[in-house]
Amino acid sequence: DQQVKQNSPSLSVQEGRISILNCDYTNSMFDYFLWYKKYPAEGPTFLISISSIKDKNEDGRFTVFLNKSAKHLSLHIVPSQPGDSAVYFCAASGKGSTDKLIFGTGTRLQVFP
Amino acid sequence: DTAVSQTPKYLVTQMGNDKSIKCEQNLGHDTMYWYKQDSKKFLKIMFSYNNKELIINETVPNRFSPKSPDKAHLNLHINSLELGDSAVYFCASSHHDRVGTDTQYFGPGTRLTVL
Repeated sequence: DQQVKQNSPSLSVQEGRISILNCDYTNSMFDYFLWYKKYPAEGPTFLISISSIKDKNEDGRFTVFLNKSAKHLSLHIVPSQPGDSAVYFCAASGKGSTDKLIFGTGTRLQVFP
Repeated sequence: DTAVSQTPKYLVTQMGNDKSIKCEQNLGHDTMYWYKQDSKKFLKIMFSYNNKELIINETVPNRFSPKSPDKAHLNLHINSLELGDSAVYFCASSHHDRVGTDTQYFGPGTRLTVL
């Protein structure tokens, strides 16, 4: 049962343009949502997160939007840079200390010049 | 000065063997985790330890046994390796055990191949 879904396995964007990565979830009990970025041969690194009480969180070029009614979140990268080329994982968790992070399968973003 | 380190980076072994993967974090965190990323790229938690105590134990075969000798180390021992154990195993740590809100820092992964 895949509770967090990233339906686009890959995305190609030109440098300077906006990258939009999407994520859908099924569990309405999820309370916290995160994006991780992963380069080849490295572990995932935390990028940005959002609590369910918010609908937007911004950090520099990265903005995460949360639509709870649609159970959908998205990551916007503006402007996209070649160094942003990586796999982006969406993750979600509940409130409890024993709640685990549930990851999506990732979207590979390629930013070309 | 690596924050979360794992050894070995690559591990190739025969079915039926027993192997261990070591993980160390120098961040002073209380909580450590093991994740498995399978061939379909699903990254799933296997175990988590808080102050050397097991707090999350997913439905993992008991051939997998985590060992936490101290807060900074969480090793993963796998007995009687099977073909299906081939995957990339990631260790991670976080300051506390609030899984969602505490940022998890991941190691570089160990690619295990069982022949």
